[in-house]
Amino acid sequence: GAGVSQSPRYKVAKRGQDVALRCDPISGHVSLFWYQQALGQGPEFLTYFQNEAQLDKSGLPSDRFFAERPEGSVSTLKIQRTQQEDSAVYLCASSLRESYNEQFFGPGTRLTVL
Amino acid sequence: AQTVTQSQPEMSVQEAETVTLSCTYDTSESDYYLFWYKQPPSRQMILVIRQEAYKQQNATENRFSVNFQKAAKSFSLKISDSQLGDAAMYFCAYRSPNSGNTPLVFGKGTRLSVIA
Repeated sequence: GAGVSQSPRYKVAKRGQDVALRCDPISGHVSLFWYQQALGQGPEFLTYFQNEAQLDKSGLPSDRFFAERPEGSVSTLKIQRTQQEDSAVYLCASSLRESYNEQFFGPGTRLTVL
Repeated sequence: AQTVTQSQPEMSVQEAETVTLSCTYDTSESDYYLFWYKQPPSRQMILVIRQEAYKQQNATENRFSVNFQKAAKSFSLKISDSQLGDAAMYFCAYRSPNSGNTPLVFGKGTRLSVIA
């Protein structure tokens, strides 16, 4: 059984470019989370989906950040007009429905904005 | 809002010895979940151990065990018989038990080195 996958693994963008980061969760996992991990820090919550519904986007740092999961499976995190402070590792995690279930993490996408 | 504090940025341990990583948290909730995650240099976060706050018994997974002190809001991780493969970043995390699902709140992590 495949785990959570993310692509690309590495992305270099020039300041002002738009980027799209993809997450493929474990099949059957209804919950999907995005986290941002700055260098030397712990991951910080960005947004959460239950199936296709985005139930919490309180962690998105600005309106340049947008996430979607249109069919309740694959999710895309989009960052518009990237800034240097967006440089980080973006982690995706999926789990079964309830809070007591383990979140399984993907390998992350390292975004570097020049 | 809940917060998680890991006061040890770096720790080291001799192979085969025991090491304890500290974690404290702040919450007003009476029920919650606590986790220790391991993040090797390859970056994929792996769950090490989990504790439900309503359980008084400390969780144990092979060489990994926790010391959960609910009143003190403390949740330390003990690694026994340390192995070279234990070298990684370790993150303590908190999760609320709301209906449905909730995000993890992480500490800043402790980098563990294992000396051969």
